[in-house]
Amino acid sequence: DGGITQSPKYLFRKEGQNVTLSCEQNLNHDAMYWYRQDPGQGLRLIYYSHIVNDFQKGDIAEGYSVSREKKESFPLTVTSAQKNPTAFYLCASSPGRQQETQYFGPGTRLLVL
Amino acid sequence: AQSVTQPDIHITVSEGASLELRCNYSYGATPYLFWYVQSPGQGLQLLLKYFSGDTLVQGIKGFEAEFKRSQSSFNLRKPSVHWSDAAEYFCAVGAAAGGGNKLTFGTGTQLKVEL
Repeated sequence: DGGITQSPKYLFRKEGQNVTLSCEQNLNHDAMYWYRQDPGQGLRLIYYSHIVNDFQKGDIAEGYSVSREKKESFPLTVTSAQKNPTAFYLCASSPGRQQETQYFGPGTRLLVL
Repeated sequence: AQSVTQPDIHITVSEGASLELRCNYSYGATPYLFWYVQSPGQGLQLLLKYFSGDTLVQGIKGFEAEFKRSQSSFNLRKPSVHWSDAAEYFCAVGAAAGGGNKLTFGTGTQLKVEL
């Protein structure tokens, strides 16, 4: 079954802690994206990657980091520098050419203890 | 930079009634436009997209949207709403960014369906 998986579904972060959200796809897509969703604000782009070992900052990258060591994986780390991490995080992928649709995973909800 | 405005935060319609959700965009070139739907606590599902060609686009679940360049709009319509259509709807505009698109989303419209 092809698709995008995100884990965990819920994640709790303690003060000063770094946490990592997982995103895996088996669609053979080149491009992957991380978005943050807050109520009433739509989705905002955190980081994106169009090819393995390369990624770019999106609109709200501060306090986040990513890696792209494998084509199918694009983990997002929420660092302690992100002072307001409580949000719904969505991962997406696309074939990597222009005019292509982005497909979304089921999301991870991050909560602060 | 591109932007998207969804002027209606909440819309309530009766089951069986027609629906129109508004979307206005700002983009310097020919836009790539999308409508996505999100159920509570879930990811986004693509309803339809416009890249070029026919300005009336058909999507899944009986939805359609019309691209009007003169009005910078891409409104979503459905002739008869079902209770299962209750969800949040997002309009997005895409801009080329290297090997792929960067999407800019509107703030969403929450649809409630009264039985």
